[in-house]
Amino acid sequence: GNSVTQMEGPVTLSEEAFLTINCTYTATGYPSLFWYVQYPGEGLQLLLKATKADDKGSNKGFEATYRKETTSFHLEKGSVQVSDSAVYFCALSHLSSGGTSYGKLTFGQGTILTVHP
Amino acid sequence: NAGVTQTPKFRILKIGQSMTLQCTQDMNHNYMYWYRQDPGMGLKLIYYSVGAGITDKGEVPNGYNVSRSTTEDFPLRLELAAPSQTSVYFCASSYAGGGANEQFFGPGTRLTVL
Repeated sequence: GNSVTQMEGPVTLSEEAFLTINCTYTATGYPSLFWYVQYPGEGLQLLLKATKADDKGSNKGFEATYRKETTSFHLEKGSVQVSDSAVYFCALSHLSSGGTSYGKLTFGQGTILTVHP
Repeated sequence: NAGVTQTPKFRILKIGQSMTLQCTQDMNHNYMYWYRQDPGMGLKLIYYSVGAGITDKGEVPNGYNVSRSTTEDFPLRLELAAPSQTSVYFCASSYAGGGANEQFFGPGTRLTVL
């Protein structure tokens, strides 16, 4: 079945450091890939997405490229800020044999990021 | 525009009690979902709905029930609460179920079963 594996956390960085959070997936067909972010005490919100191979999603300085050959969707940011401290989830959308997903998502376990001044 | 709202925010139940977690969205979304989030784990899909009157099981449906009588509301019912149901519950909605559509999440309900 479908699965998503994220790098183990927590990740602790100093402000302005470079961030990479690894994400690999197993899926049949061609799922869409997502990064969601959860700030303390809040629900998840979409950070970025990519819907086909070689697509690059980007938002708020974060980027991730859909790599079908390595089944990966790593999240990167060149210079993190304290306000980026949050939990980051990689996710993929299901696709049934008929191509219908009903939008169901499979999530990775989440990576806690803490950025210090 | 409130988005997705959930009540209550926190609840403590005793083993064997029942309760309903409420979820309402005001975006006229057809698709709604219930997830649970356990510590150190990703979200697991409990139930989902593709429209009023239509619901289906997700990955972890045992011990839960849902209904969808209106487009706006998607309550989650826990019967005979067990400690294994201690978790944070998130409701989400999306405009349609296509693979690339964004899901909008509520703030969550933190449930403890003692």
